[in-house]
Amino acid sequence: EIVMTQSPATLSVSPGERATLSCRASENISSKLAWYQQKAGQAPRLLIYDASNRATDIPARFSGSGSATEFTLTVSSLQSEDFAVYYCQQYNNWPRTFGQGTRLEIK
Amino acid sequence: EVQLLESGGDLVQPGGSLRLSCAASGFTFKTSGMAWVRQAPGKGLDWVSAINTRGDTYYADSVKGRFTISRDNSKSMLYLVMHSLRAEDTAVYYCVKTGPFYFAYWGQGSLVTVSS
Repeated sequence: EIVMTQSPATLSVSPGERATLSCRASENISSKLAWYQQKAGQAPRLLIYDASNRATDIPARFSGSGSATEFTLTVSSLQSEDFAVYYCQQYNNWPRTFGQGTRLEIK
Repeated sequence: EVQLLESGGDLVQPGGSLRLSCAASGFTFKTSGMAWVRQAPGKGLDWVSAINTRGDTYYADSVKGRFTISRDNSKSMLYLVMHSLRAEDTAVYYCVKTGPFYFAYWGQGSLVTVSS
């Protein structure tokens, strides 16, 4: 099973600033990585697929990069609605696996 | 607009069984892979099972042999039959449309509580 490790567990950032979230895979997953956002009490929402492609209706301030084992999600200028929990997930192998999540909180 | 509506979540005793259903609309169901993902209270996301358009099925080791995923393309319905339920199966279960491999659209979830 591929283990996905996200860092940091919690990230405190001020509105308007940039946030950088990391995700590491225990083995090479090519670009088969997605990022999801989950707000309290809501279902997750797809943000990024294939490591760097924004999903439908996702603002341009969200960007993804990386390949193989190291991946990054960047939010260029944080808005109030961006404070949430973010998960990465690999779909290169079965079983599909998620990272443990990064909580992005207001500083 | 893609809509996924789960139902069937309930309180069940350990060792019991339950069937979750997911009514899909807003897309061509028979040409889409589907999956179930769960989230225990206060915890992260945990992939449970998936089914592709050919009917091939995939399971997490934690549920293999106890859970069965199926689909009815004529009704645009996805199912998850769960047997031998354990306390650790307590979670919100999300119905997910894959796109084609990542989890593109999520339902609002159905709560399954396993407790005596």
